Amino acid sequence: QQQVKQSPQSLIVQKGGIPIINCAYENTAFDYFPWYQQFPGKGPALLIAIRPDVSEKKEGRFTISFNKSAKQFSLHIMDSQPGDSATYFCAASKQTGANNLFFGTGTRLTVIP
Amino acid sequence: NAGVTQTPKFRILKIGQSMTLQCTQDMNHNYMYWYRQDPGMGLKLIYYSVGAGITDKGEVPNGYNVSRSTTEDFPLRLELAAPSQTSVYFCASSRGTGGVYEQYFGPGTRLTVT
Repeated sequence: QQQVKQSPQSLIVQKGGIPIINCAYENTAFDYFPWYQQFPGKGPALLIAIRPDVSEKKEGRFTISFNKSAKQFSLHIMDSQPGDSATYFCAASKQTGANNLFFGTGTRLTVIP
Repeated sequence: NAGVTQTPKFRILKIGQSMTLQCTQDMNHNYMYWYRQDPGMGLKLIYYSVGAGITDKGEVPNGYNVSRSTTEDFPLRLELAAPSQTSVYFCASSRGTGGVYEQYFGPGTRLTVT
């Protein structure tokens, strides 16, 4: 059973576009939602994360929007660049206890120059 | 700091063979994890460890074993390799407990079982 559902599976945008990746979860015990970025041949790396006490978090060109009542969160990439081409994973975990992340299935983003 | 290192990078196994995937971290992290990544499936947690001598099962532990004799090392053992274990394996570590601590991932081991 997939604890975190992610869509779309793949996304192609032009340079400067704003790709949006969506995730949904069921377990209301989750209270920490990170996004990881993975380049081909590399391990995932933390990009940005949000706690449910805020509805939005920005770091540079990356923004997470969080809707607690809908149990959904999304990643927006402003002014996307070819260097942003990567696979993006959303994840969820609890802030206490063992640090076990439940990952979404990933979105392969391609930014065309 | 090298971070999290994994060896080997690639391996081909025959069905029924065994092998150990090595993972070492030099950040003095207490928490370490093994994930497998299959196409279109994301990453699934196999085993994790909260410190030397302590390990526990994740979502998909069947067919694997782990040990944690030191803070730095967390090897993953496949005893009787099966085609279903063809995957990319990632080791990760984090400084503390709770989801707020970033997990640092190694570069992965691509394993093929034929």
